[in-house]
Amino acid sequence: GAVVSQHPSRVICKSGTSVKIECRSLDFQATTMFWYRQFPKKSLMLMATSNEGSKATYEQGVEKDKFLINHASLTLSTLTVTSAHPEDSSFYICSATGTGGLETQYFGPGTRLLVL
Amino acid sequence: QKEVEQDPGPLSVPEGAIVSLNCTYSNSAFQYFMWYRQYSRKGPELLMYTYSSGNKEDGRFTAQVDKSSKYISLFIRDSQPSDSATYLCAMTALRGTASKLTFGTGTRLQVTL
Repeated sequence: GAVVSQHPSRVICKSGTSVKIECRSLDFQATTMFWYRQFPKKSLMLMATSNEGSKATYEQGVEKDKFLINHASLTLSTLTVTSAHPEDSSFYICSATGTGGLETQYFGPGTRLLVL
Repeated sequence: QKEVEQDPGPLSVPEGAIVSLNCTYSNSAFQYFMWYRQYSRKGPELLMYTYSSGNKEDGRFTAQVDKSSKYISLFIRDSQPSDSATYLCAMTALRGTASKLTFGTGTRLQVTL
């Protein structure tokens, strides 16, 4: 299957700082990218859907000013957690879809964020 | 009521056992059903993808969908220690690439020697 990478894999930051997480589709062009958040022993919670060149669509309850998403190209989407607080600590996972439908939604390895 | 219910486990089985993992759902509009495997601190990996009711087999894995009961299953034959992971069911109503998936909470499976 296709490869989706995320960087960094792990980040520790101080409360009040901003953190940027990159999601890249390495060998295909991703028409749509999704950002998820996963708490320990919980399922993936969809945060937002982004399409290249347009504004992201956020799920209900997700603060768009807190979680900034930029999908600048067909191979790169970024999630910036602004003014991070300890409650933002979580595992953030992106996925990217190609043109072949649901079965072509590939997930990145995730980024573990710890805010002190 | 959650849209998708899945027993979180953990489920512990001996090597070689047949494993049955299940999800129930409430939204009758769901038509596309997926099973993902997620190793600790990694992203989910697609295992099986089925449309509507019926069975699908791929090697040691069999996915079953019973839309009338709103119940899906994943069977793993001849389970191996390398199958130890969390298994997530996911489903959606639309096939398009922008379709949002609704996930279960995941079942943690441990296959012991």
